[in-house]
Amino acid sequence: EVQLVESGGGLVQPGGSLRLSCAASGFTFSSYSMNWVRQAPGKGLEWVSYISSSSSTIYYADSVKGRFTISRDNAKNSLYLQMNSLRAEDTAVYYCARVRFTMVRGVTTPYYFDYWGQGTLVTVSS
Amino acid sequence: EIVLTQSPATLSLSPGERATLSCRASQSVSSYLAWYQQKPGQAPRLLIYDASNRATGIPARFSGSGSGTDFTLTISSLEPEDFAVYYCQQRSNWPPEFTFGPGTKVDIK
Repeated sequence: EVQLVESGGGLVQPGGSLRLSCAASGFTFSSYSMNWVRQAPGKGLEWVSYISSSSSTIYYADSVKGRFTISRDNAKNSLYLQMNSLRAEDTAVYYCARVRFTMVRGVTTPYYFDYWGQGTLVTVSS
Repeated sequence: EIVLTQSPATLSLSPGERATLSCRASQSVSSYLAWYQQKPGQAPRLLIYDASNRATGIPARFSGSGSGTDFTLTISSLEPEDFAVYYCQQRSNWPPEFTFGPGTKVDIK
């Protein structure tokens, strides 16, 4: 059974830092690309960052570029999100999500999110 | 940047009724669109990918259709557990990003 378990959330002051972790099990973690997706209280879903299986390709949403860093440790089956210079608008539940690929013009392309963790709440407030 | 819009924002229906949810893209996404279901306090769940393919374990009452810019998620006969928020999602190549629609809430009439 695929399991993704996030941890590391909590209350942090504006300008502070936090590191989220996502522990994966039930699948070959090193073979899958992963993402972080967040959801502000009462709001919709917002993609945050993507990392390929080998960490060779990384993407960020404009809203976090330059402040957040995604990484992974395949030996530990773990995904991370280092969040610096936190702002009130970063307050959200942060989910890790596994990528599902699809064929686009004969090329396997990361497109969807097929398994999600239960999320960890990050609150940025003074 | 591709923008997804969903309508209606809220759909009030009774169990057993048919639900039809719409997702429109600001430019063509071919058939590369997914639908997710999210219940209160839970993580989203993938329902449909590539516009019309059901994900693993998804009941047959859920179906997706459409291509280009207009997509539909249909729930043929609502079960009590189907009352939730539904999001559509696509991915763009440049800038490389994944985008969700604002969601449609299906609630009990």
